[in-house]
Formats: sequence, C-alpha cells, structure tokens
Amino acid sequence: GENVEQHPSTLSVQEGDSAVIKCTYSDSASNYFPWYKQELGKGPQLIIDIRSNVGEKKDQRIAVTLNKTAKHFSLHITETQPEDSAVYFCAASMVTGNQFYFGTGTSLTVIP
Amino acid sequence: GAVVSQHPSRVICKSGTSVKIECRSLDFQATTMFWYRQFPKQSLMLMATSNEGSKATYEQGVEKDKFLINHASLTLSTLTVTSAHPEDSSFYICSARDPPETQYFGPGTRLLVL
Repeated sequence: GENVEQHPSTLSVQEGDSAVIKCTYSDSASNYFPWYKQELGKGPQLIIDIRSNVGEKKDQRIAVTLNKTAKHFSLHITETQPEDSAVYFCAASMVTGNQFYFGTGTSLTVIP
Repeated sequence: GAVVSQHPSRVICKSGTSVKIECRSLDFQATTMFWYRQFPKQSLMLMATSNEGSKATYEQGVEKDKFLINHASLTLSTLTVTSAHPEDSSFYICSARDPPETQYFGPGTRLLVL
C-alpha cells in the first residue's frame, strides 16, 4: 500500500518568514495530494490540494508543488502569521480510490 | 469549501454504555464517508469507510461489533461505540467525500469514558 512520509515533525519560524513542509509518497498510482490544517481540538481543514497533472498551485500565501518523478510534494507558506500556527497534514490518494494516506503531521509554530 | 458537521462535539459516559456520534454533510451529498480516530499528537487513523446503503468496510484491527457504522442516507452517517470502555476514549473525526476525491472533515467528537 501507499506510504507517506512527512518532514519536519516540528517547525518554528519567525512571523513574516516562510515555512516549508515536505512529503514523499511511495505509490506512483497516487494522483491526488491534499493538505490539511488542524487547530487544537478541531477537525482538519482542507487548505489546498493538487492533482498529478499539475506541477504547482498557489492560493494567496499558500502554494503546493509536486514532483511526480521524485514522488514528493511540498507545502509553502509565505509571510507567516501567528494564526498559521497549527498542525499540518499531507495526504495522498488515487482520484478513483477511496482511502487517503496521511503523513504524520508537522506542528508549525509562528513566533510573533 | 463544503461543510461537514458532527454531533455531539464532546461526550462523557460511563463504562459499559453506548454512545452514538452523527456525521452530516450539510451542502453536498456524500455516498462515501469515513471515520477516523486520533490520539493526542498523532495522525489520523482510518477506522472504517462508510458507503451509503451498504455495509461499512472496516480497517484491520477495528472491531466492527464494537464500532457500529450506519450510512442510511446521502448526508448522514453514524458511529456507535458499543459497551464503551476507558480505552475507547479518544477524538473521533468523520469526513465526507465530495466527488470525485476531495474529503471534508467534521469538527470531531471528544469521547471520554469513565
């Protein structure tokens, strides 16, 4: 089955700096890669996703890049703000499949 | 994005009782819903996949007689924890698939079994 690895497990940045979280996957059949933000005591919230026919996608301060050949994808947050502090999860799945395979999560702290 | 609700948000019960958690997709129809369990500072662990009108598919190691799942309509799935014990205390989260592949998560239910 699919195996998703996520790094780093914790990340601290100064407010205004950029944050990058990286994930790798093992199954070349995976073609859908969402990112979720989870605040303490809440459910995960979809913040951005990318499909395998696209190499990069951007939404304001958030961007995701995908390298299919190397089987890795990354989340980039620019101009970080304290409210960006949360746990971020990457996931991989096949569009026609059901199951999401989640990474282990990255706890991001933005220091004011 | 689409909205998924969960009820209750938190529940405290005595050992041996059963607890039902509801998951609703509010603005889309979900033929498939998922139930996850999350331990503190850990990732989401898929418990089962719930398909409308058919039996749920449970992941290995999840007791189907203990965690009863019903998906009777395109907008509602329920998880019943039967004969709950303290080790069942956890954060339970549902998600609903908005075709073809996007999953939207509910806010979660904190279960504490005394």
